[in-house]
Amino acid sequence: KAGVTQTPRYLIKTRGQQVTLSCSPISGHRSVSWYQQTPGQGLQFLFEYFSETQRNKGNFPGRFSGRQFSNSRSEMNVSTLELGDSALYLCASSLYSGSRGNEQFFGPGTRLTVL
Amino acid sequence: DQQVKQNSPSLSVQEGRISILNCDYTNSMFDYFLWYKKYPAEGPTFLISISSIKDKNEDGRFTVFLNKSAKHLSLHIVPSQPGDSAVYFCAASAQNAGNMLTFGGGTRLMVKP
Repeated sequence: KAGVTQTPRYLIKTRGQQVTLSCSPISGHRSVSWYQQTPGQGLQFLFEYFSETQRNKGNFPGRFSGRQFSNSRSEMNVSTLELGDSALYLCASSLYSGSRGNEQFFGPGTRLTVL
Repeated sequence: DQQVKQNSPSLSVQEGRISILNCDYTNSMFDYFLWYKKYPAEGPTFLISISSIKDKNEDGRFTVFLNKSAKHLSLHIVPSQPGDSAVYFCAASAQNAGNMLTFGGGTRLMVKP
């Protein structure tokens, strides 16, 4: 069974640009969550999508947005990039929404560098 | 404010000995706790979890203990192996929060042969 895939793996952008990251969950999984990992703030929850609906949102500005398609693939978009957006963006998929006994499988992440 | 804290950024242990990783939380709404392991250039991998109705959960060499009154949990690895060397993250979730996890800052475990 293929794992969670994220594309691209590495990305370099400049301030003010926008970026779109993609996540393909494990086949059959309907929930996709996004996390940002930085040295200073650690792993922080961005948002979760389940059956094409945003289920939860973390404490991030509106420049961070996402969506989920009918095949459960998800994209996240960051507009007007800032230097502080440089981070590893991780996506996690699971069968359903709700942590109890519902293992989340993480992808390898997309390393975004903003210059 | 950090709702989940791992106060030890690193831990070094001899192979075969016990590794104890600690985690504290402040949010009383958290009722489910997880440990993840992360190798460089890979995403976190789920290790073990515990519900707040339990105080211990065991899976092979890994045991998680939960002390609700102290808002503290710990992960014990016995015996430690060099392949256990990785960064370990403690995470917590609250009911009705979907899959949202709040992570600690991580502890880098080094197991020396």
